[in-house]
Amino acid sequence: EIVLTQSPATLSLSPGERATLSCRASQSVSTYLAWYQQKPGQAPRLLIYDASNRATGIPARFSGSGSGTDFTLTISSLEPEDFAVYYCQDRGNWHSFGQGTKLEIK
Amino acid sequence: QVQLVQSGSELKEPGASVRVSCKTSGYTFTSYAMNWVRQAPGQGLEWMGWIDTKTGNPMFGQGFAGRFTGRFVLSVDTSVSTAYLQINRLEADDTAVYYCARSEGGGYSGVWGQGTLVTVSS
Repeated sequence: EIVLTQSPATLSLSPGERATLSCRASQSVSTYLAWYQQKPGQAPRLLIYDASNRATGIPARFSGSGSGTDFTLTISSLEPEDFAVYYCQDRGNWHSFGQGTKLEIK
Repeated sequence: QVQLVQSGSELKEPGASVRVSCKTSGYTFTSYAMNWVRQAPGQGLEWMGWIDTKTGNPMFGQGFAGRFTGRFVLSVDTSVSTAYLQINRLEADDTAVYYCARSEGGGYSGVWGQGTLVTVSS
């Protein structure tokens, strides 16, 4: 089983700051990794697929990087609507999700 | 536009069955597989499996084949562009929001339904 570990569990930042979220896989997933955003009471939204490709309609302030076991989601300048929970997911046989990082307003 | 509309919340007793529907519109139903994801109250996301909408063949992830086969049934009705999740012999731990999500190239979940809350309680 592939285990995805996200860090930190909670990230407290202010609007305008840069956010860096990490996802580490227990074994290589190549670049087969996605990032999702979920706001309270809403379904998740696909942000990034294949580690670094933005999904349709996703603002350019969201970017993804990494390969193998270490991945990063970066939000270059936080907007008020970006405060949410973020999940990573691999798309291999396990389709595992990480446990999530809550991005909260400082 | 592409839409996935799920059936409403359900309250069921332990041991009962429930069927969640996911009605799609705005695209050719059989051109995309359908993923199912669940989220227990206050918890993270858990991928359950997916179904090939052309063949009706379901696939549970390696991590869940033992847990989900038998009690969880994935199916489709192409005549009404709808995917279904049926859960038999409900247990309290099945209490969760269940999401359907269109599987984009590579298996990612690109378009999501609004979620269906299934509560199992006596």
